[in-house]
Amino acid sequence: DIVLTQSPDSLAVSLGERATFNCKSSQSVLYTSVNRNCLAWYQQKPGQPPKLLISWASTRESGVPDRFSGSGSGTDFTLTITSLQAEDVAVYYCQQYYSDPCTFGQGTKLEIK
Amino acid sequence: QVQLVESGGGVVQTGRSLRLSCAASGFTFRTYGMHWVRQAPGKGLEWVAFMSYDGRNKYYADSVKGRFTISRDNSNNTLYLQLNGLRAEDTAVYYCAKREYNWNYLDYWGQGTLVTVSS
Repeated sequence: DIVLTQSPDSLAVSLGERATFNCKSSQSVLYTSVNRNCLAWYQQKPGQPPKLLISWASTRESGVPDRFSGSGSGTDFTLTITSLQAEDVAVYYCQQYYSDPCTFGQGTKLEIK
Repeated sequence: QVQLVESGGGVVQTGRSLRLSCAASGFTFRTYGMHWVRQAPGKGLEWVAFMSYDGRNKYYADSVKGRFTISRDNSNNTLYLQLNGLRAEDTAVYYCAKREYNWNYLDYWGQGTLVTVSS
C-alpha cells in the first residue's frame, strides 16, 4: 500500500498569514496515461465529515475559496492557504487514489496563533 | 443536491454484529462506486471498503477483511456495511462516501454514524 506522510502534525498560523501543509508519498502517484497526479486534499472541521478541497493535486473543487491552492508532482505535494481565515481551523488530510486501496495521510491540525 | 445519510450505529458488545446503512439521494446512485471510511475517536481517516456501481467489484481493508461485508441495493439507493465479529478497535465514526465517476477521490460524504464496541 502507498503510505502518505504529512508534515507537520500541527501548525499554528496568524490570521491573514500563509499556511503550508506537506504530503509525501512512498511512491509516485503520477498517472502517466493522463499525466495527472492522483492526490486529493480534504478539510475536516470539528464535528463535521471531511470535505473535498482539491483533486488531481491542484484542481480546486467548485465553491472552494481561491486562497486554497495545491501543488506538487510525483511524490511531494503541498496545500497552501494564502491568507488564513478563522473558519479555516480544521484538520487537513491528503489522499492518494493512484492505487487500491486508496490511503490517507495522518492529517495536519491547523490552529490560529 | 447530493445527500448521504448513514444510520445503524450504536453500542455493541465485542464479538457481536451490526449493519450500517447509507441512504443516497440527489444523484444517480446506480452509476457510482461507493466507499466506507471510518475514523476512530481523535484519530485520522481509515478507508474500510469499496463497492463498484454494479456490485461486481468490492475491496476491503486488511483490518476488516473476512469480518465486514459491503453491499448495495440500487433499486433503493442504499449502501450497506455488515460488521461481524466486532472488536474494540472497530470503535469509530463510519462514513459513507461517493467516489467521483471514474476515480477514487471522494467528492461527497455523509455525516457519519458512530459505532462503539465495548466489552
